Amino acid sequence: GAGVSQTPSNKVTEKGKYVELRCDPISGHTALYWYRQSLGQGPEFLIYFQGTGAADDSGLPNDRFFAVRPEGSVSTLKIQRTERGDSAVYLCASSLASGGFTYNEQFFGPGTRLTVL
Amino acid sequence: GESVGLHLPTLSVQEGDNSIINCAYSNSASDYFIWYKQESGKGPQFIIDIRSNMDKRQGQRVTVLLNKTVKHLSLQIAATQPGDSAVYFCAERARSGGYQKVTFGTGTKLQVIP
Repeated sequence: GAGVSQTPSNKVTEKGKYVELRCDPISGHTALYWYRQSLGQGPEFLIYFQGTGAADDSGLPNDRFFAVRPEGSVSTLKIQRTERGDSAVYLCASSLASGGFTYNEQFFGPGTRLTVL
Repeated sequence: GESVGLHLPTLSVQEGDNSIINCAYSNSASDYFIWYKQESGKGPQFIIDIRSNMDKRQGQRVTVLLNKTVKHLSLQIAATQPGDSAVYFCAERARSGGYQKVTFGTGTKLQVIP
């Protein structure tokens, strides 16, 4: 079966523009996570979805960032008025139901590299 | 923009030797610890995890050791191969509000010398 896919793989935009990044999780995975990874750093949590609802958006840096998952499958991360500091790789991961007594492996997509000029 | 001048700790190992990658964690409430491997241009890939009530777990060519007293985690790779070259991240899981929250540490770059 297919893994997690993300589109586009690369996105170059100008400061102030709006961008959308898409994530297609593994079929049947109810939990979906967005992370941001800067050069030389580990992934940094942004937001978690259980089904259609954002259960934890505490990692979103400010109100320019927003994410949706309207049908409980595909998710879109939206960034308004992009800034140069938003340049990073945005990773999406999915897993089976989250929060059980055992660790549910997060499967990561290849990421979208965002460059804000 | 992205930070420049950031240097990942790097471990250089001769092919066939054993590798040991170390990690310190911070959250005493974490119940699982996980190692991920990330190759250039790819997302992190799960290697092995260990529950907090264990101190050792073995997989295929890999062993994870957990020392809760000093909050230290290590990944041992036996007979390191060129395909093991990657950045390795430790991560810790905590259960929060009924779901799992995973926090990643800083990575270590493993370079295998043929």
